[in-house]
Formats: sequence, structure tokens, C-alpha cells
Amino acid sequence: GAGVSQSPSNKVTEKGKDVELRCDPISGHTALYWYRQSLGQGLEFLIYFQGNSAPDKSGLPSDRFSAERTGGSVSTLTIQRTQQEDSAVYLCASSPEGYEQYFGPGTRLTVT
Amino acid sequence: GQSLEQPSEVTAVEGAIVQINCTYQTSGFYGLSWYQQHDGGAPTFLSYNALDGLEETGRFSSFLSRSDSYGYLLLQELQMKDSASYFCAVSVTGGFKTIFGAGTRLFVKA
Repeated sequence: GAGVSQSPSNKVTEKGKDVELRCDPISGHTALYWYRQSLGQGLEFLIYFQGNSAPDKSGLPSDRFSAERTGGSVSTLTIQRTQQEDSAVYLCASSPEGYEQYFGPGTRLTVT
Repeated sequence: GQSLEQPSEVTAVEGAIVQINCTYQTSGFYGLSWYQQHDGGAPTFLSYNALDGLEETGRFSSFLSRSDSYGYLLLQELQMKDSASYFCAVSVTGGFKTIFGAGTRLFVKA
């Protein structure tokens, strides 16, 4: 079956611009996660959605970051007024239970 | 807050056994997971321990001691393709929020 997909795979943007990153989870998975990974580093938790519950936004680094999940499926991560330190790979994962997460290929964001 | 510690690098030879340790400090602990990530790839799930003891899946085993806030991943019969980064991750706060460690880079030599 289809796995988690993310788009775009690469995004180069100028400092100060807004970007939107998209994630299509595996059908039927109730949990959806966003992480950020800098080169050679671990995964930094950003936000997760679980069913109809309010999302846990505790990992978002600033109010420039926001995310939404429409219809319990597709999710969009938005970064406003991008900064160079936002450059990283943004990974999305979905899960049926929470602990076994299936990751998408990621979006590599470069802010120039 | 939550924190996880794991070694930054481990080197082993093909055919050997290697153990990657993970210690954690967290509140609302639910379980410990392990993920593998090859260079340029996405993390893939390896195992999950919610209860104390050893879980075995083929060449990989994972252990958890909740009282010691400690776990490890054991890789047997190492193969060159096992060269990758390995992350431990704790599930907290109802079991869904997941915090990852910084990862252990495993180098397998011939």
C-alpha cells in the first residue's frame, strides 16, 4: 500500500518568505507527527495530531510555525518569515497507535 | 523535561554483536522505541518495549528496564548494511508524544 508522502521534496526559499510543507499520511492512521532534523542530528519533535483531539504543539520552536490537519488526513506545516536557522529536513510520520511511526521521505528546506 | 542519552558512535566488525544503550529521564513514560536511519533515508521502526524485558525480532533485540530508565538495542550477526544511525525514542503523555535521542552512528567494518 501507499506510504507517507511529502511535498515538495526540496524547497529553496529566501529569508523572510513563507513556506508550506505538505504531508499525506497512510490511510487510516489516526496519529500524525511533524519532526525537524538538522544534518547529522536527531529528530526534533514539533507537533502531533491524534484523532479529533487538540494537537500537541509543545515542540513548535516559535509562533512563526503552525500546522493544521484537515479532515483527519492531510497535514500542512507552515513556516512564516523563514530564517536561515529554519533550514533542515522536515519529516512527517503517521501511526495507528503512536509508538510505531511510519515516516515520509522528508522535505529538505533551504533558506538563503 | 525529557532527555535521552545514547553513544554518538559505535564501531563493530561484520558478524559481531553490538549493543547500543539508551538512558532516559522523562515524566509520563509509556515506552521505548528504536528506529534505524540510513544516510539520506527516512527513519524506519525497529522495535518497541512498553514492559520490562527483552523483545526479539530476527537479528535485532531490544531490552527495557523501567526501574533503571534504561534500554538497549542488540544487533547480532552484523552485516555491512546495518551501518546506519540508530535512535531511541520515548513515548510520553498518553503514549503519542515521542521524543527522540540524538542517535548512535554504527559503523560496521569488514
